Amino acid sequence: TQLLEQSPQFLSIQEGENLTVYCNSSSVFSSLQWYRQEPGEGPVLLVTVVTGGEVKKLKRLTFQFGDARKDSSLHITAAQTGDTGLYLCAGAGNQFYFGTGTSLTVIP
Amino acid sequence: DARVTQTPRHKVTEMGQEVTMRCQPILGHNTVFWYRQTMMQGLELLAYFRNRAPLDDSGMPKDRFSAEMPDATLATLKIQPSEPRDSAVYFCASGQRTDTQYFGPGTRLTVL
Repeated sequence: TQLLEQSPQFLSIQEGENLTVYCNSSSVFSSLQWYRQEPGEGPVLLVTVVTGGEVKKLKRLTFQFGDARKDSSLHITAAQTGDTGLYLCAGAGNQFYFGTGTSLTVIP
Repeated sequence: DARVTQTPRHKVTEMGQEVTMRCQPILGHNTVFWYRQTMMQGLELLAYFRNRAPLDDSGMPKDRFSAEMPDATLATLKIQPSEPRDSAVYFCASGQRTDTQYFGPGTRLTVL
């Protein structure tokens, strides 16, 4: 059983479309991170959210931490081909857990 | 541009052989993590160290895996003996906090 479940698992969209990726858990985390991983490379940290209800924006990416600090979402506006990759959420509590991952493909 | 380095980048070996993977964390980072990534299981935490002391290795098969930090600039992950099910990409990450990790490029291990 995975502590952090991401949905959808796979997503294929046209360039210019919007999308949202979800990260859900029944556990409370002190902080939650989002990473992006490209083929053949390690994950790269995008953002850390700490406060329940917190919203952070990184250009076309919007990250939200749930009020109860159990879930998070990543919204991408006007997706570009460069957004293609594996998106991973990760939660920090007593230990550190990575989510199941969402593989995003943006088609030109 | 400080980065985590890992060697080797690729390793092909035969079942039963010893495998040693090395990681050089970013200078000044006091926390080092070892992960394994497969298509089926995703990214799994194997072990992590803080100030060179092992804090958690509960994700690591103890009978064949061992992780050490001989000094602050080197972390090693050994598998002896290796098995085909160990085939995966092994990542090292370092950071100054548990929730901010910088990953290396990974070692792709294939055990035949």
